[in-house]
Amino acid sequence: DTEVTQTPKHLVMGMTNKKSLKCEQHMGHRAMYWYKQKAKKPPELMFVYSYEKLSINESVPSRFSPECPNSSLLNLHLHALQPEDSALYLCASSRTSGDQETQYFGPGTRLLVL
Amino acid sequence: GQNIDQPTEMTATEGAIVQINCTYQTSGFNGLFWYQQHAGEAPTFLSYNVLDGLEEKGRFSSFLSRSKGYSYLLLKELQMKDSASYLCAYSNYQLIWGAGTKLIIKP
Repeated sequence: DTEVTQTPKHLVMGMTNKKSLKCEQHMGHRAMYWYKQKAKKPPELMFVYSYEKLSINESVPSRFSPECPNSSLLNLHLHALQPEDSALYLCASSRTSGDQETQYFGPGTRLLVL
Repeated sequence: GQNIDQPTEMTATEGAIVQINCTYQTSGFNGLFWYQQHAGEAPTFLSYNVLDGLEEKGRFSSFLSRSKGYSYLLLKELQMKDSASYLCAYSNYQLIWGAGTKLIIKP
């Protein structure tokens, strides 16, 4: 089983809203990732959690706040987003954060900020 | 610096063979991944090469030459469902992604 689940599938929010994206995996992976992907572009790494600790933050604006409550769950809290933040947000996991590990992606949350 | 290139778009015919190339320049390298991504969906893992040579998995094969900074993905017996974007990414502490090659399959 290489399934990573994400909810919601679609999200429309205003610039003053607060919302959260959720990601879950039950493969026993100890690394989890958030990526942002714009149309026709490759995924851009946002955050990496390794053993539930934030290990990489790719200079992401503070209006994006990640949280890793346990080894299976990863959240991305959104607040005061801008229209340019509209994108596909992808969660991924891998056995460890070693760079030879295969990352498995969830289906993504398509976010539209109005 | 870090650089990775692949063609923007390719067209092929159902039943044929297509090769998608990927070239990279980096001072640190720990392997190269290929992912398939259908429009609006998540990338799905296809292959990983860390040593030189060809890795075959059914209709898909991936090749790596570390000395040349070159990889290709070979798709045989093309099917309409193979229409997708194919992304190569090399690993150097994190994945460095190419922009993706959109593959269009015609009947």
